[in-house]
Amino acid sequence: DGGITQSPKYLFRKEGQNVTLSCEQNLNHDAMYWYRQDPGQGLRLIYYSQIVNDFQKGDIAEGYSVSREKKESFPLTVTSAQKNPTAFYLCASSGGQGAFGNTIYFGEGSWLTVV
Amino acid sequence: AQKVTQAQTEISVVEKEDVTLDCVYETRDTTYYLFWYKQPPSGELVFLIRRNSFDEQNEISGRYSWNFQKSTSSFNFTITASQVVDSAVYFCALSEAGAAGNKLTFGGGTRVLVKP
Repeated sequence: DGGITQSPKYLFRKEGQNVTLSCEQNLNHDAMYWYRQDPGQGLRLIYYSQIVNDFQKGDIAEGYSVSREKKESFPLTVTSAQKNPTAFYLCASSGGQGAFGNTIYFGEGSWLTVV
Repeated sequence: AQKVTQAQTEISVVEKEDVTLDCVYETRDTTYYLFWYKQPPSGELVFLIRRNSFDEQNEISGRYSWNFQKSTSSFNFTITASQVVDSAVYFCALSEAGAAGNKLTFGGGTRVLVKP
């Protein structure tokens, strides 16, 4: 199946620990993104990457880190520096040809809870 | 800076009623894209439509229709004859034009509850 796969779906973290959320896409998209969603709110951009080995900070990058070593993978690490990490995290990608080349498609999301 | 406003936080209707979701945006770009996404209770965002700023034609897809008015910076979404399965949070979003790598600015979302 083609699409964006995020894992794990649910993750619990103790305070002071780093955790990494996985995002893999087989859509051959050049660009990938991480968004954060807090309950009852819209999405905010954490990091994005337009090509392999390159990424830029979004609006709320503090306390997060990413890597883009492969085109299909864009993992997000939530570090202990992130003050309030409990949220729903959505990975996305965009690319391709034609009229929908710039449409951003999303994975199913990962719920992170700090305990 | 770009901004998207969805003034309605929650709308409750009875099945078969029509429901219109408002979206107003702000941007300094002359070329941009507007989107609507649906977020069902399971959490994933489902792409519904993309509209280019230079194309002001309204669009209909089944029970869904979209009204884009550049003069008022609005991109409203109507669900006709609503069904229980339409219950979800709907997000309007805006992105700059350009190569792949566009970033989305989201509105706060409108929760639609369709009662049987």
